[in-house]
Amino acid sequence: EDQVTQSPEALRLQEGESSSLNCSYTVSGLRGLFWYRQDPGKGPEFLFTLYSAGEEKEKERLKATLTKKESFLHITAPKPEDSATYLCAVQEAGGGNKLTFGTGTQLKVEL
Amino acid sequence: NAGVTQTPKFQVLKTGQSMTLQCAQDMNHNSMYWYRQDPGMGLRLIYYSASEGTTDKGEVPNGYNVSRLNKREFSLRLESAAPSQTSVYFCASKLAGDTDTQYFGPGTRLTVL
Repeated sequence: EDQVTQSPEALRLQEGESSSLNCSYTVSGLRGLFWYRQDPGKGPEFLFTLYSAGEEKEKERLKATLTKKESFLHITAPKPEDSATYLCAVQEAGGGNKLTFGTGTQLKVEL
Repeated sequence: NAGVTQTPKFQVLKTGQSMTLQCAQDMNHNSMYWYRQDPGMGLRLIYYSASEGTTDKGEVPNGYNVSRLNKREFSLRLESAAPSQTSVYFCASKLAGDTDTQYFGPGTRLTVL
């Protein structure tokens, strides 16, 4: 059974204080790993898809990386508007359309 | 484009009542999904429709039914609501490819008393 574990559950940063969120996964074969951002009361918003170990993608202050067992979402010099819950999901090879989600990391960036 | 839209945004039901959650997308996507999100748990797949005319069970289908009305619309029905179905429900859609991204709607917050 696919498993996705995100850590930490919650993270509080000062503005400008860089950090990383972790997503560890267990699948028979990875077809894709997805990162989403979710604001309170809203639906998840797509950030990145990673397909193979060693792949990296960047968007503004965010960079996602992938190894064979985990993914990191690095946040460089965060701002208060980066505060949100960040969700990780995996799609298993041959698993059809199904995504397995982690429970998320709730990030708060303070001035 | 509005993307994925859901109605209603909020709903309160009494145990045993029925209701239908509506979802529509205007992105010409082929696949559509229904998830529920509960505190401390990841998004869980209830049902999905890989293409118009097909539906399949996800991880937590009990107590729910779905209808893929056409390519744009995918509804979720609770025939006899139970307090355990209190949750936030999200609809999502994706184009067609194996790893095409799923795009989510704004959600429906449902409370069953």
